[in-house]
Amino acid sequence: DAKTTQPTSMDCAEGRAANLPCNHSTISGNEYVYWYRQIHSQGPQYIIHGLKNNETNEMASLIITEDRKSSTLILPHATLRDTAVYYCIVRAILTGGGNKLTFGTGTQLKVEL
Amino acid sequence: ETGVTQSPTHLIKTRGQQVTLRCSSQSGHNTVSWYQQALGQGPQFIFQYYREEENGRGNFPPRFSGLQFPNYSSELNVNALELDDSALYLCASSLARGDEQYFGPGTRLTVT
Repeated sequence: DAKTTQPTSMDCAEGRAANLPCNHSTISGNEYVYWYRQIHSQGPQYIIHGLKNNETNEMASLIITEDRKSSTLILPHATLRDTAVYYCIVRAILTGGGNKLTFGTGTQLKVEL
Repeated sequence: ETGVTQSPTHLIKTRGQQVTLRCSSQSGHNTVSWYQQALGQGPQFIFQYYREEENGRGNFPPRFSGLQFPNYSSELNVNALELDDSALYLCASSLARGDEQYFGPGTRLTVT
C-alpha cells in the first residue's frame, strides 16, 4: 500500500483558508487520493477524492501535483467546526475488485478564533 | 449524517467471550467494510463484503469474521476476545465496490 506523510498538527484562524499538505511519493498511476476527517469519537467523514485533476466540492478543494507525489486539501474558509483529524489516504484496490482505505495518523487541525 | 447505523453504541465484554456487532448500510449501498480503531490510532481495515461475499481482508486473525445479508446489512463477529480488541469498530458502506465509503458512528467495545 502506498504510504502517506502528513504533519502531525496545524493551526488555522477562523475565516482563513486551511491548507493541509500530504506526501504520497509511492503512489501508482491508477490509485486515487482520498481525504477524510474525523471529529473526536465520531466516524470518519468523507471529504473529497481525486486521481490527477484538481477537484472541488461544497466542502473543500483538492490540489494534486502534476507528478502526483503530493496533494493539498484546502478548506477555503475554516470554521471552529472544522477542527478535526484530517486523513490523507491512497486508496488500495483489493484483488476482488473492492477497495480499502489505509489510514495513517493524520493531521490534527485546530481552528481558533 | 451518512445513513449508516451501527448497534450497539457501547458494550463491555470479558476476555474470552464472543461479540457480534451490527451495521445497516445506507440505502442502495451493496458494499460494506469494517474497520478497527484503537485509541489514538487511525482506523485499520478488517474486511469488506460485496453482495454477501467477502471481497478482501486486512491483517486480522480468523477469529474476526463477518456476514453480509441479502438486504446488505452486515455483522462483525469476534471470538475469544482479547484485551487488545478494545477499540472503536467502524462500519462503512459504499454504493459499489470502487466508490467512496461512508462511515457509521461506530461501536465502542471494551474488553476487561
